[in-house]
Parts: sequence; C-alpha cells; structure tokens
Amino acid sequence: AQSVTQLDSQVPVFEEAPVELRCNYSSSVSVYLFWYVQYPNQGLQLLLKYLSGSTLVKGINGFEAEFNKSQTSFHLRKPSVHISDTAEYFCAVIALSSGSARQLTFGSGTQLTVLP
Amino acid sequence: EAGVTQFPSHSVIEKGQTVTLRCDPISGHDNLYWYRRVMGKEIKFLLHFVKESKQDESGMPNNRFLAERTGGTYSTLKVQPAELEDSGVYFCASSPLGYNEQFFGPGTRLTVL
Repeated sequence: AQSVTQLDSQVPVFEEAPVELRCNYSSSVSVYLFWYVQYPNQGLQLLLKYLSGSTLVKGINGFEAEFNKSQTSFHLRKPSVHISDTAEYFCAVIALSSGSARQLTFGSGTQLTVLP
Repeated sequence: EAGVTQFPSHSVIEKGQTVTLRCDPISGHDNLYWYRRVMGKEIKFLLHFVKESKQDESGMPNNRFLAERTGGTYSTLKVQPAELEDSGVYFCASSPLGYNEQFFGPGTRLTVL
C-alpha cells in the first residue's frame, strides 16, 4: 500500500513571496507523482506530474516540483505567488503495481492563502 | 470539449433516504473513477470502471453504495439508505485507456442530516 503526507495543512504567504508546499510519499513499488489544485467551487485541476525522466518538472501557472527518490519527496514550489494562487493543493501518487489499477492516492491537502 | 460533469452540485437529504449521484465523463474516456472526500480528510478512491465493467471496487465503504455504468457512458452512484457519515464531496474523474492523468469533475457535495 502507498500513502502520501502533506506536512502543512495551511500555508499563508504574502503576495510576490516564494512558496513551497511539502509532500512526502511511502510506497513499496515505483510511483507516478501528481500535484492537483482545487480553486473554490471548482473541480481538481492537474498542475504537474512526474512519470519519468528529469526530476524537475514544470507545470502550469509557474509552478514546479522536484522528485527526490532518496527522500521520497515531491515538493511543489513557486518563486512568486499571486492572489489568484489561493486554493487547496493536493499531492497524489499512482502505484505502478501489477495489473491495470490506476487509482490515485491523495494527501490531505494544503490550503495556500496568498495575502495582499 | 466539455469536461467531466456531475449532477447535482449539492444534495441535502435526511438519514435513511436514498440519493443518486450522476457523473458524465469526457466523451471517449473509457476509464471512470469515483472518489470521496469526507470532512476535510483525504480524497479517497471508491471504485474504477473500464467501460461498463467494474475494474476495482475495493474502496467502496459498504453495501449501501451501488455504482453503475450502463452502456459505458455516464455513471451513477446510489447511496441507500444514507447515513450521517456519508456526508462529503463525491468526485468523479475520467481518462482515456492507458492515460495516467485523470480529469476531474466539480464534485457533488452531499449532506446527510
């Protein structure tokens, strides 16, 4: 079985400041890694994903994340946040076990609030 | 192209009543998933359809929950009878076969009083 831990449930940050949202995972098999964002009253939207290759992945809206296999982490970063980045962010994994199961295992979410 | 749609957006029912949630996936997506988020906890997997077949229903909490996907298009999730602990947001997602990204709907917020 796999699990995902998002270490911060709430992250307040001032506009134009950098931000890092932390995510650690545990799995006995290889995983694919994802960050999703949920804006108020909307569904989950994919920010970025790591499947293979370069460990630094860039996503939409200026976000990026780095896969660190030794630390089993996939932290999300943005160098300068905007008010519009206020949302809840979810880290998730898909375990690459045998069979075709492809369900996502999610962390508990991090509420990012950007302050003016 | 239309995204994943879910109906209703909100439902408030009393304990013991029945509720049916509907999900319309993106056209052509054979994979359809149901997830649930209860009271600010993790979003948890409920089940996975491939076309009209249940591929994995290991996340279904109990036999009060029944999911169907007749004809391999839209899916319904019925809760009968509803209990207080069923309150939460139910998400549906879809994807093409062999595709790793899942496309989510806006969710249905279910409140059981």
